[in-house]
Amino acid sequence: SQQGEEDPQALSIQEGENATMNCSYKTSINNLQWYRQNSGRGLVHLILIRSNEREKHSGRLRVTLDTSKKSSSLLITASRAADTASYFCATDAQDMRFGAGTRLTVKP
Amino acid sequence: GAGVSQSPRYKVAKRGQDVALRCDPISGHVSLFWYQQALGQGPEFLTYFQNEAQLDKSGLPSDRFFAERPEGSVSTLKIQRTQQEDSAVYLCASSYLIRGTGMTEAFFGQGTRLTVV
Repeated sequence: SQQGEEDPQALSIQEGENATMNCSYKTSINNLQWYRQNSGRGLVHLILIRSNEREKHSGRLRVTLDTSKKSSSLLITASRAADTASYFCATDAQDMRFGAGTRLTVKP
Repeated sequence: GAGVSQSPRYKVAKRGQDVALRCDPISGHVSLFWYQQALGQGPEFLTYFQNEAQLDKSGLPSDRFFAERPEGSVSTLKIQRTQQEDSAVYLCASSYLIRGTGMTEAFFGQGTRLTVV
């Protein structure tokens, strides 16, 4: 089974709204990463959070990590139509496996 | 090169044909991953290399799939006797990751879209 599992499977919001996606995992980790994939393209790294960090920011991205619950969330603030993509999480356990992802649609 | 390069970008194979997909990782990257991604799905892990050693091949779906990285740089994913269910995008990624010590950012290629007819 995959190590990182994202939810919801799909999310549709209006431009300017915030988008929150969640990731759950099963085993102990050193760090967790979030990636983005535009249709037909490779994945692009967004942010890495280490197991001793609880929150990290990068531009409009905010990632939290709760190791006690084995979960992470990705918040995209003030979303734009260009944020429309699939978002995946992965941990360093089990050689970087991904879940099915969250398909985010931002309507202009 | 500046990034991970995969070739060919597109491959159409007749059922039963053998195919070879190439991945040129970023120079100096120790770790290399192969994934299979079906339409609308997440990337499914196939195999992982640390330099030339294939440390995990648990994701390879059958013995028709074979991957190698003989000199610790370029890698080839070979699929023998292709079947229609092998149709997918095959993604390669590389990083400075050292297994067991934590990951760094992984860089992905654009993928090879394989269509088996």
